[in-house]
Amino acid sequence: QQQVKQSPQSLIVQKGGISIINCAYENTAFDYFPWYQQFPGKGPALLIAIRPDVSEKKEGRFTISFNKSAKQFSLHIMDSQPGDSATYFCAARGEKGKLIFGQGTTLQVKP
Amino acid sequence: EAQVTQNPRYLITVTGKKLTVTCSQNMNHEYMSWYRQDPGLGLRQIYYSMNVEVTDKGDVPEGYKVSRKEKRNFPLILESPSPNQTSLYFCASSLGTNSPLHFGNGTRLTVT
Repeated sequence: QQQVKQSPQSLIVQKGGISIINCAYENTAFDYFPWYQQFPGKGPALLIAIRPDVSEKKEGRFTISFNKSAKQFSLHIMDSQPGDSATYFCAARGEKGKLIFGQGTTLQVKP
Repeated sequence: EAQVTQNPRYLITVTGKKLTVTCSQNMNHEYMSWYRQDPGLGLRQIYYSMNVEVTDKGDVPEGYKVSRKEKRNFPLILESPSPNQTSLYFCASSLGTNSPLHFGNGTRLTVT
């Protein structure tokens, strides 16, 4: 119930393409769903986040789609660039503000 | 510059030799936390602290200790490290539990 399942584990996309990473959760008490981006040798950094009363949030080329009934949410990266190559983590916030992270997706954008 | 600083960045040690990984933040954050990152498992919380002298276990606390004597510092202690603690460790902090987490750059620990 506390898990967040993320897929795929790795993803290769051509420059200009759309990258899509999916996450699913069980606990309906989760109240906040952030995505973190991690470059090699660095810690994760908040990229974009959404609350469950909203179905979509867009910031530049990054969009979160949220399906409350299906308990799923996804990150879409439009016009993917080589600079987007990184590891992406979805997360969900539960009791006492604790973040539960997904397993991570390594994205490679080929030039 | 606002940051979370971890030291050391890399550490190789032997089984049973006590070690401490330091974490310091300069943002006056109340909440601090330690995570370990392992391939295929994502980030798992080890311990967290809501404020000075207030700490609690996360999901994988076995074999670890923490202390929070000052607001800015949150060291992670491995009193008797074992090879299964070989991992990439991250310290993180935030203003509160409803604020974004700020991560350090990680400590890669190898226990032989």
